[in-house]
Amino acid sequence: DTAVSQTPKYLVTQMGNDKSIKCEQNLGHDTMYWYKQDSKKFLKIMFSYNNKELIINETVPNRFSPKSPDKAHLNLHINSLELGDSAVYFCASSRRLQGGTNEKLFFGSGTQLSVL
Amino acid sequence: AQTVTQSQPEMSVQEAETVTLSCTYDTSESDYYLFWYKQPPSRQMILVIRQEAYKQQNATENRFSVNFQKAAKSFSLKISDSQLGDAAMYFCAYEGNLIFGKGTKLSVKP
Repeated sequence: DTAVSQTPKYLVTQMGNDKSIKCEQNLGHDTMYWYKQDSKKFLKIMFSYNNKELIINETVPNRFSPKSPDKAHLNLHINSLELGDSAVYFCASSRRLQGGTNEKLFFGSGTQLSVL
Repeated sequence: AQTVTQSQPEMSVQEAETVTLSCTYDTSESDYYLFWYKQPPSRQMILVIRQEAYKQQNATENRFSVNFQKAAKSFSLKISDSQLGDAAMYFCAYEGNLIFGKGTKLSVKP
C-alpha cells in the first residue's frame, strides 16, 4: 500500500504546454506539500496545504497552481511550461502537531519533468 | 530568516567505518524539530532521524545518531558501521520541513 502516490513518474513535454501532476495520500494527514528538486539536488518547498487550505506559497511563478479538492489530494498544474521547469517534483504529506509544527514527511516517489 | 547549511557537498566512507555529516542552522525560535532525510539513487526520500529541540538527549535510530548542539545550532548525523546501502544524498531539514540544506552526497567504499 503506497502511502503517498504521485503520477506520473515521468513527464516529457514541449515548451508552452500545460501539464498536471497528481498526488494522493492515504495516511489521513492534514498537511500536504509540493517540493521542487533541481538538477543540483536542491530541494525547495513550493506550496503547502492544511485541510485543503493554502498555508504556504513560496515565490513560485503564477504558472504553477496547486489544487486540493480534499485533504487527501493535492494536484499541481503547470501552465505554459518553460525549459527551467525541468526538475523532479515531490509531493509529501505530514501530520500537523499541536502548536502548528509538522511531523515527519512522507514523500511520494517524485515526478521527473523534462521540458524540451 | 531561517537557514540550513550543509557544508560538505560530498563525503566518502569505507564500509563498516563511521562517518559524520554536518548541518548547521539559524533560527530565533526556541522550540522546533530537525530532521535528516536520505535520498538513495532510487530518488525516494526517506526519513532517517528526527530531533526535538526541547529534548536534551540526542536521537538514535539503530546505526544512525545525531549530535545536537542547540547553543551552537548544530545538528550532525553520525552513521556507524556504514553499509553499501547507506550511499545516498542526505538532507538536513528544519522545522516543519520547510527548509532543507543543499545535501551531502555520501559514497560508501567496499
